[in-house]
Amino acid sequence: SAVISQKPSRDICQRGTSLTIQCQVDSQVTMMFWYRQQPGQSLTLIATANQGSEATYESGFVIDKFPISRPNLTFSTLTVSNMSPEDSSIYLCSGLAPSGEQYFGPGTRLTVT
Amino acid sequence: KQEVTQIPAALSVPEGENLVLNCSFTDSAIYNLQWFRQDPGKGLTSLLLIQSSQREQTSGRLNASLDKSSGRSTLYIAASQPGDSATYLCAVSARGGADGLTFGKGTHLIIQP
Repeated sequence: SAVISQKPSRDICQRGTSLTIQCQVDSQVTMMFWYRQQPGQSLTLIATANQGSEATYESGFVIDKFPISRPNLTFSTLTVSNMSPEDSSIYLCSGLAPSGEQYFGPGTRLTVT
Repeated sequence: KQEVTQIPAALSVPEGENLVLNCSFTDSAIYNLQWFRQDPGKGLTSLLLIQSSQREQTSGRLNASLDKSSGRSTLYIAASQPGDSATYLCAVSARGGADGLTFGKGTHLIIQP
C-alpha cells in the first residue's frame, strides 16, 4: 500500500489567517487529491492536485480560498486562506495507486477561533 | 451527479455477530468501489477495493460484494469483535479514479464486548 504523510497533524488558528498543509506520498502514486471532512460529515473532494499546473477544483471550491500546489510527483500543499470558523474541519490528502486504490494520509485537524 | 447512500447510519451489536453494511449509488457508471474504516480522529484505512468488473472481494473476516447494475454494494463482517468498532465508509470512483472519490456518509458501528 502507498504511504502518505501529512503535516501538521493539527492546528488552532486565528480568524483571518492562512494555514498551509503539506502532503508527501511515496513514488507509486499517480494522482493526488485533497478532501475536507467537516464535523460529523463525510468526505468531500476539494480538488485534484496536478503536477506542475493549476489544480482542478470541484464545484463550491475556488483557488483563491484553497490554493494548491504540486511541484513534483510526490509532494503537494493545500493552503486554507483567510480562515473563518466555518473552515474548521479535517483536511485529508490522498494518492491514487496504479491499482485504482486510493490511500489517505492521517489528516490535519484544523480549528479556527 | 453521483450520490452514495449508506444504511444503516449507525449500528450496535454484541460481539460475535455477523453483520452487513449496505451502500447504494445512483450512477452505475463507476470504475471501482472502495470500503474504508475511519477510527475517531483518524484518517481512512482502505479495507477493500472492488473493480467494476468484479463481483466480490475478501480480506480476512471482511467480504464486499458489488452489483453494479443495481447500484449496490454490501460489506459483510464475520464474527465481529470490539476492535471492529469504527465508522465504515463506502466510496465510488469514475474515469479510472481520475475524478476522485464520492463518499457516503458512513455507518457508525459499535461492537459491544
